[in-house]
Amino acid sequence: SQQGEEDPQALSIQEGENATMNCSYKTSINNLQWYRQNSGRGLVHLILIRSNEREKHSGRLRVTLDTSKKSSSLLITASRAADTASYFCATDEKAAGNKLTFGGGTRVLVKP
Amino acid sequence: EAGVAQSPRYKIIEKRQSVAFWCNPISGHATLYWYQQILGQGPKLLIQFQNNGVVDDSQLPKDRFSAERLKGVDSTLKIQPAKLEDSAVYLCASSLDLVGAGIYGYTFGSGTRLTVV
Repeated sequence: SQQGEEDPQALSIQEGENATMNCSYKTSINNLQWYRQNSGRGLVHLILIRSNEREKHSGRLRVTLDTSKKSSSLLITASRAADTASYFCATDEKAAGNKLTFGGGTRVLVKP
Repeated sequence: EAGVAQSPRYKIIEKRQSVAFWCNPISGHATLYWYQQILGQGPKLLIQFQNNGVVDDSQLPKDRFSAERLKGVDSTLKIQPAKLEDSAVYLCASSLDLVGAGIYGYTFGSGTRLTVV
């Protein structure tokens, strides 16, 4: 079963716009991670946010975590065509021993 | 540093045949994972190793899937016999973390795309 569920499932934006996607999960976590997957490729780790953190930045990426609502968001600012990819959240559950459970992903299309 | 290496990149087999995938993780990474990713879905964990021991294989269909990590480095995943529903991308990942640490992310290989016909 999937722990994290992303919303929306698909997103289409113009280059230069911001893209926001959300992730909800069900059980207590050690950390939550976001990954990017380009078509036909493996996943690339973007950001890890621990359960005691509320916000984290990396370049044009901003991740928030609200453990009371069991939700996280990923914001990509000033999007580029190269940001076109699927984005997955993955949760490291406290009871599960450092293994990640992935959601179904958000497919982002950035139009030039 | 070198990434996670996987081979082959693509494989097409007939149902009931056998297939094996190989993974070489990043040097020094203690934990290794095999994931199955069906088209349009997120990756699903099959098995987790720490060094050469199995930590979790609860989602591995053991009647047909097997995996090993000899000497705590390379790993192989085997399917015997394959079914049509095994068509997927098989991803290997490794992490610097020990089980329960939750400090580092995973590094994924490019995967093996398996088509069962």
